[in-house]
Amino acid sequence: AQSVTQLDSQVPVFEEAPVELRCNYSSSVSVYLFWYVQYPNQGLQLLLKYLSGSTLVKGINGFEAEFNKSQTSFHLRKPSVHISDTAEYFCAVNPLQGGSEKLVFGKGTKLTVNP
Amino acid sequence: DTGVSQDPRHKITKRGQNVTFRCDPISEHNRLYWYRQTLGQGPEFLTYFQNEAQLEKSRLLSDRFSAERPKGSFSTLEIQRTEQGDSAMYLCASSVGRGAGNTIYFGEGSWLTVV
Repeated sequence: AQSVTQLDSQVPVFEEAPVELRCNYSSSVSVYLFWYVQYPNQGLQLLLKYLSGSTLVKGINGFEAEFNKSQTSFHLRKPSVHISDTAEYFCAVNPLQGGSEKLVFGKGTKLTVNP
Repeated sequence: DTGVSQDPRHKITKRGQNVTFRCDPISEHNRLYWYRQTLGQGPEFLTYFQNEAQLEKSRLLSDRFSAERPKGSFSTLEIQRTEQGDSAMYLCASSVGRGAGNTIYFGEGSWLTVV
């Protein structure tokens, strides 16, 4: 079975500051990794995903994430945030094998960007 | 490409009543998923279809829940004899092809409040 831990439930930052949202996962098999964003009263939108290759993945809206296999982490970063980045961010995993395509999500991190 | 569409967006029902949610996936997406999200939690997998075949069901999906995708296009999720614990957002998602690395596109969700 897989599990995802998002270490911070809430992260407040000031506009134009850098931010890192932390994600650790546990799995007995190799997994694909995803970050989704959810704006208030909306569904989830994919920010980026790691399948293979370079461990640094770039996504939409200036976000990037780095896969660290030894630390089983997939932290999300942005060098300078905007007010519009205020949202909830979810880390998710999906095992490579086993025939299942269900995402396992963390509990989310609420990012609040203040002026 | 109009995205994943869900209806109704909001539903308030009395305990014991039946409710049905509809999901229209992105055109030509052969895989369709249902997730449930409660306040303060990440989405949890309920079930998924490949075309009209229901391939996996979570243990969260009790006997009161049933999902169908009769012609491999839209899907319905019915909850019978609703309970207050069923209050949540029900998210539908779709993807094309096979493989755990495929991008899964989410709809905006259907909020259910059981009073």
